[in-house]
Amino acid sequence: DGGITQSPKYLFRKEGQNVTLSCEQNLNHDAMYWYRQDPGQGLRLIYYSQIVNDFQKGDIAEGYSVSREKKESFPLTVTSAQKNPTAFYLCATSRTRFDWYFGQGTRLTVV
Amino acid sequence: AQTVTQSQPEMSVQEAETVTLSCTYDTSESDYYLFWYKQPPSRQMILVIRQEAYKQQNATENRFSVNFQKAAKSFSLKISDSQLGDAAMYFCAYRSPYSSGSARQLTFGSGTQLTVLP
Repeated sequence: DGGITQSPKYLFRKEGQNVTLSCEQNLNHDAMYWYRQDPGQGLRLIYYSQIVNDFQKGDIAEGYSVSREKKESFPLTVTSAQKNPTAFYLCATSRTRFDWYFGQGTRLTVV
Repeated sequence: AQTVTQSQPEMSVQEAETVTLSCTYDTSESDYYLFWYKQPPSRQMILVIRQEAYKQQNATENRFSVNFQKAAKSFSLKISDSQLGDAAMYFCAYRSPYSSGSARQLTFGSGTQLTVLP
């Protein structure tokens, strides 16, 4: 089945650590996105990529980094510069303006 | 930049009754795309219904329908014959017709938590 796989489902980070969230898709979509979800704030865009080796900052990119070396993969690194990283992270792809697909998310907690 | 507002953080409905969730948006564009997504406790985002702004007819999917008022920039979701499985967080979202820069993203409202009472 085609879809988006995010891993891990739960992730714990110590203060000062960098952690990487995985997002893999087999839908053959060019466009991939990372969103952050906090209670009462909906989803906010962190980074997006329209093509391999190219990506753009979204509304809340500070403290995050991404790469897009393969069409199928769009990993998100939460760096130590992100002061409040505890949140739910969703990866998405789009085929057209009208067709969007979401992974099952990663819950990141700082311990 | 476009904004999406959901003014009802929480709503409740009796099983088998009808409930309407509100969504308003701010845009200067004439054509765009609007969506309602459901997020149950599993956190999986599930598309409920979508509408293209140039289509006058309101979209309908089984028990779910929208009231799209373009001039008022309103896109409310009506759930008829509510079921226990409808309990979830509901997000309204906007997509610009353009494909450059940040216009590519889905812009979300803050969500409405729907409780269905047995």
